[in-house]
Amino acid sequence: AQSVTQLGSHVSVSEGALVLLRCNYSSSVPPYLFWYVQYPNQGLQLLLKYTTGATLVKGINGFEAEFKKSETSFHLTKPSAHMSDAAEYFCAVSDSGATNKLIFGTGTLLAVQP
Amino acid sequence: DVKVTQSSRYLVKRTGEKVFLECVQDMDHENMFWYRQDPGLGLRLIYFSYDVKMKEKGDIPEGYSVSREKKERFSLILESASTNQTSMYLCASSFGRTDQETQYFGPGTRLLVL
Repeated sequence: AQSVTQLGSHVSVSEGALVLLRCNYSSSVPPYLFWYVQYPNQGLQLLLKYTTGATLVKGINGFEAEFKKSETSFHLTKPSAHMSDAAEYFCAVSDSGATNKLIFGTGTLLAVQP
Repeated sequence: DVKVTQSSRYLVKRTGEKVFLECVQDMDHENMFWYRQDPGLGLRLIYFSYDVKMKEKGDIPEGYSVSREKKERFSLILESASTNQTSMYLCASSFGRTDQETQYFGPGTRLLVL
C-alpha cells in the first residue's frame, strides 16, 4: 500500500533562508507525487507534481522538488524564503490503480521569521 | 480557472443533528472527493464519486453518507452529528481517473459539533 511520511510537522526558517521540506514515500508501483500548499483559512492548492520524465520538477512561487527513486524521496525546496511562504505543505502520492485517489502526508507547517 | 465552492465556511451544529455540506465545481469534472482534515493527521478520504449517482467509500466513511445527483454537485451528509466529527471538511474535484490528475480543492468548511 502506498504511504507518505513528512519529517517535521513544524519547520521555521528566516526570511531569505533555504526552505527544505522533506517527504518520503512508499509505493509498490512507479509513483505520481504531489506537493500541495494550504494558506491560512484556505483550501489546498497544487504547488507541483511529478508524473514521468525529468526528475527535477519546478512549481509555482519558486518552489521545486526532486524525485529520487533510490531514496524514495520527493523533498520540496526553495532557495530563499519569503514571508508569504508561511503556510502548511502537504506531500501526496497517488494510490495505484487509475483511481485518482491520493494518499496525503500529515503536513508540515512552515513559519518564516523576519 | 477551476472553481470549487463549498456552501459554508463555518458551521456550528448540535449533537444528533443532520448536517449537509454542499460542494459545487464548475469545470465539468468527472471525479469529486470529500476529505476531513485534522491536526497531525493530514487529509483523510471520506467518500468519492466518479460519476453521477455513484459513490465509493474512502478510508473513513463511518458516520457519513454522500449524494451526487448532478455532475457538478457532491453533498456530504452527517446523519447524526457527533462531537468527534468536529473538523475541517474539504471537497475536491478532478477531471479524469488517471493517477496523475490534479485535484482542485474548495476553501473548506470548518464544522463544530457541540
